[in-house]
Amino acid sequence: NAGVTQTPKFQVLKTGQSMTLQCAQDMNHEYMSWYRQDPGMGLRLIHYSVGAGITDQGEVPNGYNVSRSTTEDFPLRLLSAAPSQTSVYFCASSSMRGGPETGELFFGEGSRLTVL
Amino acid sequence: AQTVTQSQPEMSVQEAETVTLSCTYDTSESDYYLFWYKQPPSRQMILVIRQEAYKQQNATENRFSVNFQKAAKSFSLKISDSQLGDAAMYFCAYRGSGYALNFGKGTSLLVTP
Repeated sequence: NAGVTQTPKFQVLKTGQSMTLQCAQDMNHEYMSWYRQDPGMGLRLIHYSVGAGITDQGEVPNGYNVSRSTTEDFPLRLLSAAPSQTSVYFCASSSMRGGPETGELFFGEGSRLTVL
Repeated sequence: AQTVTQSQPEMSVQEAETVTLSCTYDTSESDYYLFWYKQPPSRQMILVIRQEAYKQQNATENRFSVNFQKAAKSFSLKISDSQLGDAAMYFCAYRGSGYALNFGKGTSLLVTP
């Protein structure tokens, strides 16, 4: 059972470089999201999507882009990396169809990004 | 926006003892979900327990139980018979009418032998 798969797990970037964090889920979940986790800050929502072609901003969207061309994939793009984007990033998905899993977020294993 | 507050940055418990982690939240909605997630050193986010606001009965999952006080907007997690494997960061989370979860800042739980 793959669940939510994130790649890469670790990445080091230089300031100004761009990169894409990949996220894929095989649970046919409509809702997908990206969070960043910083020490003492909990998890903060960057962007989310409720279906293919639909995305919206979360609490901390600046410096990040997303797209949702398929149900399965939800990549997060850093356009011009900054040291403030050094963080651990989590992709998470959820079913919107109700049932016993209603509301539960399923997480990927996280991606640690360091921007020098 | 709803806020979730975990007032205990760190807690410590001895093996086999009981510990309670606190969580309060602020909302004007009447229907919502509350969650506790565990994050061990492996970084993986693991769902511990969930509570639907419309249910008056407190959720339980083996050694984990909650004390849900809707009027007080309080949602504490009780861990009974603590084990070394319970050592982790614990996050309280709220989900209202949208699908996003709002997380507290976390409580780091240390379990001592």
